[in-house]
Amino acid sequence: AQSVAQPEDQVNVAEGNPLTVKCTYSVSGNPYLFWYVQYPNRGLQFLLKYITGDNLVKGSYGFEAEFNKSQTSFHLKKPSALVSDSALYFCAVREKTGNNRKLIWGLGTSLAVNP
Amino acid sequence: DTGVSQDPRHKITKRGQNVTFRCDPISEHNRLYWYRQTLGQGPEFLTYFQNEAQLEKSRLLSDRFSAERPKGSFSTLEIQRTEQGDSAMYLCASSPARDLGHEQYFGPGTRLTVT
Repeated sequence: AQSVAQPEDQVNVAEGNPLTVKCTYSVSGNPYLFWYVQYPNRGLQFLLKYITGDNLVKGSYGFEAEFNKSQTSFHLKKPSALVSDSALYFCAVREKTGNNRKLIWGLGTSLAVNP
Repeated sequence: DTGVSQDPRHKITKRGQNVTFRCDPISEHNRLYWYRQTLGQGPEFLTYFQNEAQLEKSRLLSDRFSAERPKGSFSTLEIQRTEQGDSAMYLCASSPARDLGHEQYFGPGTRLTVT
């Protein structure tokens, strides 16, 4: 069965410091991996995805993520955090093959960037 | 491109009443998804349409829930005989026809409160 784990409920970083939000996944085949961000009372906004190719993917607002097949991880990173990055971050996965199109989601990680 | 829209944004209803939500996807997207999100959780998949065909339905979708997409454009999600446990944010998403690992675009959600 497909699953996603975000081991940290909350991550706190100081503004200007690098940030990492962790995600590990489990699928039976090759994965498509996604990161979304959710601000209070707003819908989910797409940040970036891994489909194939380069393991380091770059996305919106200066975020990037590294796909690591051996560790089944897809951690979200940003070199220098901003206070405005404070939000809820979700990792999601689905299998590349078959007719299954649904996304399986982690429980989310609340990121707090302190001024 | 006006994005995915959902109506209403908020709905308060009494237990036992029926409610219906509407989702208008991005116009050229033929795939449409419904998810449910409760506080502190990631989204949970409910159902998925390709054009007007409902291709997958979660076990979470009890007999009280029904979704339609009659002309392959907008979709409705109806909950009959609402229960307090139905209180949640109901999210709609859409994606394009060609499946190249494309991300799903989310609407702002409909927040349902059952009293």
